[in-house]
Amino acid sequence: AQSVTQLDSQVPVFEEAPVELRCNYSSSVSVYLFWYVQYPNQGLQLLLKYLSGSTLVESINGFEAEFNKSQTSFHLRKPSVHISDTAEYFCAVTAGSGGSNYKLTFGKGTLLTVNP
Amino acid sequence: EAQVTQNPRYLITVTGKKLTVTCSQNMNHEYMSWYRQDPGLGLRQIYYSMNVEVTDKGDVPEGYKVSRKEKRNFPLILESPSPNQTSLYFCASSPLTGGGRGYTFGSGTRLTVV
Repeated sequence: AQSVTQLDSQVPVFEEAPVELRCNYSSSVSVYLFWYVQYPNQGLQLLLKYLSGSTLVESINGFEAEFNKSQTSFHLRKPSVHISDTAEYFCAVTAGSGGSNYKLTFGKGTLLTVNP
Repeated sequence: EAQVTQNPRYLITVTGKKLTVTCSQNMNHEYMSWYRQDPGLGLRQIYYSMNVEVTDKGDVPEGYKVSRKEKRNFPLILESPSPNQTSLYFCASSPLTGGGRGYTFGSGTRLTVV
C-alpha cells in the first residue's frame, strides 16, 4: 500500500514570493505521482504528474515539481505566486496496477493562501 | 467534452432516508471510484470499480453501496444516511491502460444529513 504525507497543512505567502509545498510518499513498488489543485468551492483539477523520464515536471501555469526517488519526495514549487493561486493543493500517488494498487492515495492537503 | 458528471451538486436529507448520488463518464474509462473529502482528512476512497459488475471496497466503505451495471455509470447509494456521512463526495474515472494518467474528477456533491 502507498501513503502520502503533506508536511504543511497551511502555507501563507505574499504575492510574487516563491513557494514550496512539500510532499513525501512511501511505497514498496514503483509509483506515479500527481499534484491536484482545488479552488474554493470547486472540484479537483490535475495540476501536473510524474510518470517516468525527466524528474522535473511542469504545469502550464508556472508550477513545477521534482521527483526525488532517494528522498521519496515530490515537492511542488512556484518561483512567483499570484493571488489567483490561492487554493488547496493535494499530492497523490498510485502504483497504477491491479485492484487496490490502482487506487489514487491522497495526502491531507495544503492550503496555499496568497496575500497582497 | 470529456467529463465526469455528478448529480446532485448539493443535497440536504434527513437521517435514514435512502438516497442515490449519480455519476456518469463519457470517456469509456474502465476504472471508476468514489471518494469523500473531509476537512483535515483529505480524500478517502469509498468504493471502486475495475469494470462492469466488478466492484470492491476502498478505505471507508461502511454505510455505502455501489453498483456498476453499465460502463459509464457508477451510482453511490446511501441506504440509511447518518450525520457522520455529511461530507463532500467526488466521483472519478480513469483508463486502466497507462495507469499513470491520473483521474478525471466530477464537480462534487455536497451532502448534509440532518
